[in-house]
Amino acid sequence: ILNVEQSPQSLHVQEGDSTNFTCSFPSSNFYALHWYRWETAKSPEALFVMTLNGDEKKKGRISATLNTKEGYSYLYIKGSQPEDSATYLCAFVNYGGSQGNLIFGKGTKLSVKP
Amino acid sequence: GAGVSQSPRYKVAKRGQDVALRCDPISGHVSLFWYQQALGQGPEFLTYFQNEAQLDKSGLPSDRFFAERPEGSVSTLKIQRTQQEDSAVYLCASSLDSNSDYGYTFGSGTRLTVV
Repeated sequence: ILNVEQSPQSLHVQEGDSTNFTCSFPSSNFYALHWYRWETAKSPEALFVMTLNGDEKKKGRISATLNTKEGYSYLYIKGSQPEDSATYLCAFVNYGGSQGNLIFGKGTKLSVKP
Repeated sequence: GAGVSQSPRYKVAKRGQDVALRCDPISGHVSLFWYQQALGQGPEFLTYFQNEAQLDKSGLPSDRFFAERPEGSVSTLKIQRTQQEDSAVYLCASSLDSNSDYGYTFGSGTRLTVV
């Protein structure tokens, strides 16, 4: 059974704080890792798709790193704002697995207090 | 349309009732996916279409679940004889192709509550 773990489960920070959270996934048969942001009452929004070991991607104040050999990815948010409050989901894609079969973690729920 | 549209947004069904959930993907998107998210869990894969062909239905939890995409555009997820354990958010996503470098575009989901 392929397992994707995210930690912490939830996080409360003050506006302006920088924060990071972790996604752990199987280190074998890696194909890709997706990160999504899901705000309440909205659709999950794709942040990054990462495929190469050592990859680092950035989108505004949000960045992500990838280590496929040890099976983890970090998501960083610099200078958190209230509008960053959302659940952040990572999803692992298994090489040789079914196309579209994203294996999601349970997410990290971030709350940013003004 | 501009995004992936799902309807209804909320559905309350009595146990044993049949339900149909609709997904309108982004025009031109070849790939379409259905996921089920139970309370406190991450979304779980149900099924995948490439155009009208259902290429993978390995995630459908029982034979009460059926999905179709007859013309390669709109898709319907049907659940027959609903049970309480079917209560979940059902998410639909679409993509230009299955190996999207930009991730998938999701709808807002349909929250199904079986009472």
